[in-house]
Amino acid sequence: GENVEQHPSTLSVQEGDSAVIKCTYSDSASNYFPWYKQELGKRPQLIIDIRSNVGEKKDQRIAVTLNKTAKHFSLHITETQPEDSAVYFCAASSAGGYQKVTFGTGTKLQVIP
Amino acid sequence: GAVVSQHPSRVICKSGTSVKIECRSLDFQATTMFWYRQFPKQSLMLMATSNEGSKATYEQGVEKDKFLINHASLTLSTLTVTSAHPEDSSFYICSASGQPNTEAFFGQGTRLTVV
Repeated sequence: GENVEQHPSTLSVQEGDSAVIKCTYSDSASNYFPWYKQELGKRPQLIIDIRSNVGEKKDQRIAVTLNKTAKHFSLHITETQPEDSAVYFCAASSAGGYQKVTFGTGTKLQVIP
Repeated sequence: GAVVSQHPSRVICKSGTSVKIECRSLDFQATTMFWYRQFPKQSLMLMATSNEGSKATYEQGVEKDKFLINHASLTLSTLTVTSAHPEDSSFYICSASGQPNTEAFFGQGTRLTVV
């Protein structure tokens, strides 16, 4: 099955700086890579996603890059704000399936005002 | 976006009793729903895939007789934790999507505490 690794497990940045979270996946058949933000005790919320036919996607301060050859994908948050503090999960989806999502281990991001 | 509703949000039960958690897709039909468990400060671990009208598919290490899944309609899946024990205390969350390889929507989760 799919295995998703995520680094770092914790990340502290100063407000206004950038944050980068990296993930690798094992199943070359995976073709959908969502990123979720989860606040304590709440459901994960999709913040951005990318499909395997695209190398990069950007939405305001958030961007995701995908390297299919290396099976790497990364989340970039620029101009971080205190409200960006949360746990972020990368994930990979089995090709052709109805969203059987394998999650990474999570990164706790702390933005220091 | 689509809405997935999960109920209850919190439940406390005694050891040995059973607890049922419901997951509903409110504005779309979900042939498949997924049940996850999340322990504190850990990631979401897939427990099982719930298939409408057929048996659920369980991940390795998940006891199917303990975690009963029923997906009787295209908008409702239920997870029953049978003979609950304190080690079953966790955050259980379901997800569903209406189309392959599109955004999965999560329920709000259920915090189960077994005392």
